[in-house]
Amino acid sequence: GAVVSQHPSRVICKSGTSVKIECRSLDFQATTMFWYRQFPKQSLMLMATSNEGSKATYEQGVEKDKFLINHASLTLSTLTVTSAHPEDSSFYICSATGLAGDSYEQYFGPGTRLTVT
Amino acid sequence: AQSVTQLDSQVPVFEEAPVELRCNYSSSVSVYLFWYVQYPNQGLQLLLKYLSGSTLVKGINGFEAEFNKSQTSFHLRKPSVHISDTAEYFCAVSEWTGGFKTIFGAGTRLFVKA
Repeated sequence: GAVVSQHPSRVICKSGTSVKIECRSLDFQATTMFWYRQFPKQSLMLMATSNEGSKATYEQGVEKDKFLINHASLTLSTLTVTSAHPEDSSFYICSATGLAGDSYEQYFGPGTRLTVT
Repeated sequence: AQSVTQLDSQVPVFEEAPVELRCNYSSSVSVYLFWYVQYPNQGLQLLLKYLSGSTLVKGINGFEAEFNKSQTSFHLRKPSVHISDTAEYFCAVSEWTGGFKTIFGAGTRLFVKA
């Protein structure tokens, strides 16, 4: 099946700094990528949808200036958490749909655990 | 607008017993339905999906689910669970409305006891 990777798997940063999370589709071209965040013992909340080469579409309540999403190529999307604060600590998961896979299935990355101190 | 309701937040069950995890959804258009499993500190793994055709869908690890359009349900079942099935299970609904969007239920924690 299609594989999606995320890097880093875990990151700890200080409050006020920015951190970038990468999401890569390893064996297919991802025309659309999604970013989710998951708080402990809660479900996945969709943050934004990004299509290659265009601006991301953010869900209501998600600050686009704080969570910068770039989808510059068909295999890479990045999420940058700017001026991170402890409340941004969460599990961030990306997913992708694309040409190589079933068009109605999302392939999920393993997630990135962000801890802001 | 779509929504997904998982009726049980936690389901404790003894090993080798059957289990059903319930999922109901609402949507104004045709939907695609999924069940995912998540182990601690890991991403999501697809158990099974319903896109069209037969309403009884079989997935990995002995799980199956049945799509019931009239009841807008997609309950997950397994006839005999193992300790290793202990995990969080998420029901998800995708619909195409000019863009592809998936919403997840709140999750059900399956706890299998020896």
